[in-house]
Amino acid sequence: GESVGLHLPTLSVQEGDNSIINCAYSNSASDYFIWYKQESGKGPQFIIDIRSNMDKRQGQRVTVLLNKTVKHLSLQIAATQPGDSAVYFCAENPNTGNQFYFGTGTSLTVIP
Amino acid sequence: ETGVTQTPRHLVMGMTNKKSLKCEQHLGHNAMYWYKQSAKKPLELMFVYSLEERVENNSVPSRFSPECPNSSHLFLHLHTLQPEDSALYLCASSQGHRWSDTQYFGPGTRLTVL
Repeated sequence: GESVGLHLPTLSVQEGDNSIINCAYSNSASDYFIWYKQESGKGPQFIIDIRSNMDKRQGQRVTVLLNKTVKHLSLQIAATQPGDSAVYFCAENPNTGNQFYFGTGTSLTVIP
Repeated sequence: ETGVTQTPRHLVMGMTNKKSLKCEQHLGHNAMYWYKQSAKKPLELMFVYSLEERVENNSVPSRFSPECPNSSHLFLHLHTLQPEDSALYLCASSQGHRWSDTQYFGPGTRLTVL
């Protein structure tokens, strides 16, 4: 199966600081990537996606960067807020139907 | 209700019980999915339905039986489960079954098997 992993299982940041969550993937053929946020007691919530023909995509306070050379994906959250505390997953799709492969997640804790 | 809903939110059952999980999507999507989420493990895809037909079954034990009566509803029938089946069961839906179709998740059913 695919291997999608995160460099750090936990991350703590001060409120107002920027957060960076990293993800490594193994399949160079992967074409589509998604970041999900999962709060305690809830299902994963779509945050932002990026296609393999892009290096960067920005949303509201979030930016996803894709480095295909080293097969690395990152999620940047600007001005992190307490409501950003959650587990963040990356998911990749190697363009073989709609089967996504998920990482185990990084737990982000925002310190007030 | 909007998005993807799941009932019940919590379920405790014995190994000899039979129960069903229900998922409903209000997004007009054509594909629906069941995932299992265990602690500290990646999401595991169990079943995929596209236009009410099962398109993928990832080697799931037969004690889990899916049913998709229409494109808005998905069930997971459970019988003779084992304690290791305790997990969060997530339903998701997407517009289609293409690689570029984003999946949207429900809140999950927290299942405990005694």
